[in-house]
Amino acid sequence: DADVTQTPRNRITKTGKRIMLECSQTKGHDRMYWYRQDPGLGLRLIYYSFDVKDINKGEISDGYSVSRQAQAKFSLSLESAIPNQTALYFCATSDPGVGSQYFGPGTRLLVL
Amino acid sequence: GQNIDQPTEMTATEGAIVQINCTYQTSGFNGLFWYQQHAGEAPTFLSYNVLDGLEEKGRFSSFLSRSKGYSYLLLKELQMKDSASYLCAVSWDTDKLIFGTGTRLQVFP
Repeated sequence: DADVTQTPRNRITKTGKRIMLECSQTKGHDRMYWYRQDPGLGLRLIYYSFDVKDINKGEISDGYSVSRQAQAKFSLSLESAIPNQTALYFCATSDPGVGSQYFGPGTRLLVL
Repeated sequence: GQNIDQPTEMTATEGAIVQINCTYQTSGFNGLFWYQQHAGEAPTFLSYNVLDGLEEKGRFSSFLSRSKGYSYLLLKELQMKDSASYLCAVSWDTDKLIFGTGTRLQVFP
């Protein structure tokens, strides 16, 4: 079984709709991250969480919110989706101090 | 500001050696990572450098010069399956990474 899973893997939605992307991990890591990837822009950090009670904004948090329901679960919400949020979204986890991050398979989101 | 530069695209021939360069300017430095990403898939960890010098891992090696803000990834004995994007990332704050835009490598027979 994959260590980091994301659901859904693909999603098409309309402008103005609320959607949630979910991430679960079995690696036992405290630290979890949400990124988006756009062609030519690389991976950009949206939000990160270093434990269940810790939530922090990344470089592009506007229009997004997150919830850390448990050590193993970290959800990303788009309250009112807009077309420029069309992107590939990745969840990642890491161990404190080690640094290397482990990525989920990604969610491809299309906002019409 | 934070900035990581790497070439957008490179091509090479099967069996050859290719070097992918990365330069960085960041407000902090806790280490430099290289990731491989096949099209439409998740990035996967390749290497980590925190001290100056060369780290070798099989066909892949990574070099770091902190004083120059420079790293490279060296891929030897290229195989078709090495066609992918290679992402340079710097850990600039506690367990936070900033990524370059990636270098797309195409390997031809």
